[in-house]
Amino acid sequence: SSELTQDPAVSVALGQTVRVTCQGDSLRTYYASWYQQKPGQAPVLVIYGKNNRPSGIPDRFSGSTSGNTASLTITGTQAEDEADYYCHSRDSSGDHLVFGGGTKLTVL
Amino acid sequence: QVQLQESGPGLVKPSQTLSLTCTVSGGSIGSGSYYWSWIRQPAGKGLEWIGRIYTGGSTNYNPSLKSRVTISVDTSKNQFSLKLSSVTAADTAVYYCARAPASSYFHYYFDHWGLGTLVAVSS
Repeated sequence: SSELTQDPAVSVALGQTVRVTCQGDSLRTYYASWYQQKPGQAPVLVIYGKNNRPSGIPDRFSGSTSGNTASLTITGTQAEDEADYYCHSRDSSGDHLVFGGGTKLTVL
Repeated sequence: QVQLQESGPGLVKPSQTLSLTCTVSGGSIGSGSYYWSWIRQPAGKGLEWIGRIYTGGSTNYNPSLKSRVTISVDTSKNQFSLKLSSVTAADTAVYYCARAPASSYFHYYFDHWGLGTLVAVSS
């Protein structure tokens, strides 16, 4: 079982805002990073650190943390944002790495 | 632009050892401060971190796989490798290699990934 917990599925209407969450005790200490994965493709980093976007990632993607919950927010969701999203961080010991179970985002 | 490419057999027999190599291009694996990881994903399931090796050679492994995993680096070939012993059908997955900057202990992230390679365990 993963030390990071995500909702299996979330849906959002086109153009609306959606929040994908990730819960885990280690998030009180370590930041989460977020990855977008489309079918048949490798994951792509979309958010890391406090709220950093790699070059090429649209600014509609943002990240935040409160207590033991990290959130990925997509503002003005586009059809191309439909994908699986995974959070990632260190485990509670800090020595190992873990992924959340993933959230399938459907854009209606 | 750094690129990673996995390679190795696509089919391994049960009880044998799975061996994969990740070739890094566009940068030297031995320069800078980076962690080089292996991550896998069974079909239709989530991502699982297998383990990592630091530029300097130290390793960390997923506790659930530690007894079967060895990750090594060959700086002369700009490659790092994964060996997973005593494989079973449960080890069938797409295997990815990925790079993580060692810039901060508190925010760890994979900034470059390979495309992945499917390894099936079957007799």
